[in-house]
Amino acid sequence: QVTLKESGPALVKPTQTVTLTCTFSGFSLTTSEMCVSWLRQPPGKALEWLARIDWDDEKHYRTSLRTRLTISKDTFKNQVVLTMTNMDPVDTATYFCARVITQDASGWGTADFWGPGTLVTVSS
Amino acid sequence: EIVLTQSPGTLSLSPGERATLSCRPSQSVSSSYLAWYQQIPGQAPRLLMYATSVRATGIPDRFSGTGSGTDFTLTISRLEPEDFAVYYCQHYGSSAITFGQGTRLEIK
Repeated sequence: QVTLKESGPALVKPTQTVTLTCTFSGFSLTTSEMCVSWLRQPPGKALEWLARIDWDDEKHYRTSLRTRLTISKDTFKNQVVLTMTNMDPVDTATYFCARVITQDASGWGTADFWGPGTLVTVSS
Repeated sequence: EIVLTQSPGTLSLSPGERATLSCRPSQSVSSSYLAWYQQIPGQAPRLLMYATSVRATGIPDRFSGTGSGTDFTLTISRLEPEDFAVYYCQHYGSSAITFGQGTRLEIK
């Protein structure tokens, strides 16, 4: 049974760095084609993909946020960590992590299992 | 970045009716990398379709996807009460992964 769960601070101040942790079970990030993505959804708005880390430690980032994001994994703990620097009120959103299995040789795939999400509010 | 435009913004239908949701990319995309998700408010999205027309595991066959290039459609043949939710299309064929703004399917 695949499960994922996000954890992190509910409230951060502007300019701070936030660290979010995705703890998962039911699959391994050492298995070929397995990946974990982070996405977010501001209140009442659409989904936005942020970053992805692959079984081979390759990392992909949303171009517009590339300088602010770092994704990493701990395969022993079954965790993926996302850090985002210089937080701003516009970053207020529910942050999701999701499992991705690459679909084909292109290396891209869809998010088939999601965590419930964690709301991060940026406010002074 | 490819922009996905979904229409209509809100669709009001009754259980048992047919729903047709549209997703139009700003430029032609491969049908191999177009997906649909369902999201019930307060919950995480659920993968419905990938590669345009392939149903994800456990998705009932009343859901179907078609399309190519700049015109994609998600059809729900006979609406069940649990189908009333927000639907997002997604293009995932590159690192510029994008979502549409969503179509809200509400009970009439």
